[in-house]
Amino acid sequence: KQEVTQIPAALSVPEGENLVLNCSFTDSAIYNLQWFRQDPGKGLTSLLLIQSSQREQTSGRLNASLDKSSGRSTLYIAASQPGDSATYLCAVAFSSGSARQLTFGSGTQLTVLP
Amino acid sequence: GAGVSQSPRYKVAKRGQDVALRCDPISGHVSLFWYQQALGQGPEFLTYFQNEAQLDKSGLPSDRFFAERPEGSVSTLKIQRTQQEDSAVYLCASSLSKAGLAGDRSYNEQFFGPGTRLTVL
Repeated sequence: KQEVTQIPAALSVPEGENLVLNCSFTDSAIYNLQWFRQDPGKGLTSLLLIQSSQREQTSGRLNASLDKSSGRSTLYIAASQPGDSATYLCAVAFSSGSARQLTFGSGTQLTVLP
Repeated sequence: GAGVSQSPRYKVAKRGQDVALRCDPISGHVSLFWYQQALGQGPEFLTYFQNEAQLDKSGLPSDRFFAERPEGSVSTLKIQRTQQEDSAVYLCASSLSKAGLAGDRSYNEQFFGPGTRLTVL
């Protein structure tokens, strides 16, 4: 079974710190990988999408990398702010999925302390 | 522009009742997905539509779950004879592309609605 794993499950950091969230997946044959943010009681907000042929994507203070051969992605958040507090979800569209449906990790719950 | 919308946002049902959950995707989006999210977990795939065709329903947990998208836009997820284990958040997502086509981010990116929180008593 294809799986996506996120470590750690929860992370608490002081404001201003740079941090890295980790995502690993069991099959290197993927279409793309997306990072999402989910606030309590809300839907998912797409942060970054990395295509299979790409190594990284950047948006503002966020940088996501992809290493298909090792089955890993990282989300780097620079100069964290209290407003970054949320659950961050990694999701992979495996090539075996005809619908390009996403397989999600369980998320990392981030708390940025003021 | 308008994003993906879902209604109702919250639904409480008694065990055994039928429920219908609605999704309005982004206008012009070909692909529509339904996911189920249990508390503290990531969403899990239920079913996929390309326009009005339901091409993958491998994630539907039982034959009590039924989805349709008759005109290729709005979709409805119906759950018959609800059980307590059906309690979850049901998320709808849409994307511009057809599954199977290569393309850039703008075609493949999935955009999610706010979800419907279903509680079965």
